[in-house]
Amino acid sequence: GESVGLHLPTLSVQEGDNSIINCAYSNSASDYFIWYKQESGKGPQFIIDIRSNMDKRQGQRVTVLLNKTVKHLSLQIAATQPGDSAVYFCAENGANSKLTFGKGITLSVRP
Amino acid sequence: KAGVTQTPRYLIKTRGQQVTLSCSPISGHRSVSWYQQTPGQGLQFLFEYFSETQRNKGNFPGRFSGRQFSNSRSEMNVSTLELGDSALYLCASSLEGGTGNTIYFGEGSWLTVV
Repeated sequence: GESVGLHLPTLSVQEGDNSIINCAYSNSASDYFIWYKQESGKGPQFIIDIRSNMDKRQGQRVTVLLNKTVKHLSLQIAATQPGDSAVYFCAENGANSKLTFGKGITLSVRP
Repeated sequence: KAGVTQTPRYLIKTRGQQVTLSCSPISGHRSVSWYQQTPGQGLQFLFEYFSETQRNKGNFPGRFSGRQFSNSRSEMNVSTLELGDSALYLCASSLEGGTGNTIYFGEGSWLTVV
């Protein structure tokens, strides 16, 4: 069945380093993907999205890469800051706004 | 522009009771969807409403229901509460719904069932 999964449950990085969070999806028909950031006690915050007709999209300090061949999605955060510490989710947007989420990965930034 | 607003933020209910949660979408957004978030199951889709009609529904029992009003505001209701219903309930909105529309979430309503 459909699933969106994250490879690792936690990621610890040094402040100032770049972070890379990976995600695998199984539905080859998926055509839209979103990354969310969730801080403790808050709702998921939209970070960046990408459509299946693209393989890269850049935002402010973030880049999303999509590899449809291996059904892999990644989020790159440049110059990671303490404020980036949170749980990150990748999600596949299917029909009628239904999002299928991965389990989430915790990003911890070391000072 | 105000974001997605959910009320109440926190509530405690007793098993067997029912609860109603409210959501005001971003102004101009017509699609509202609801999700349940628990540590064990993660984020799971409940249902989506557009123009007062339920367009899509997740795999939840009939105790979970919702509705949408003409101003796009939405409510969800859980009847005969069970301990396992304790969760963060998230409302999300988008312009038209469907794939490709950015979906924004509210801060959620924390429900504890005792």
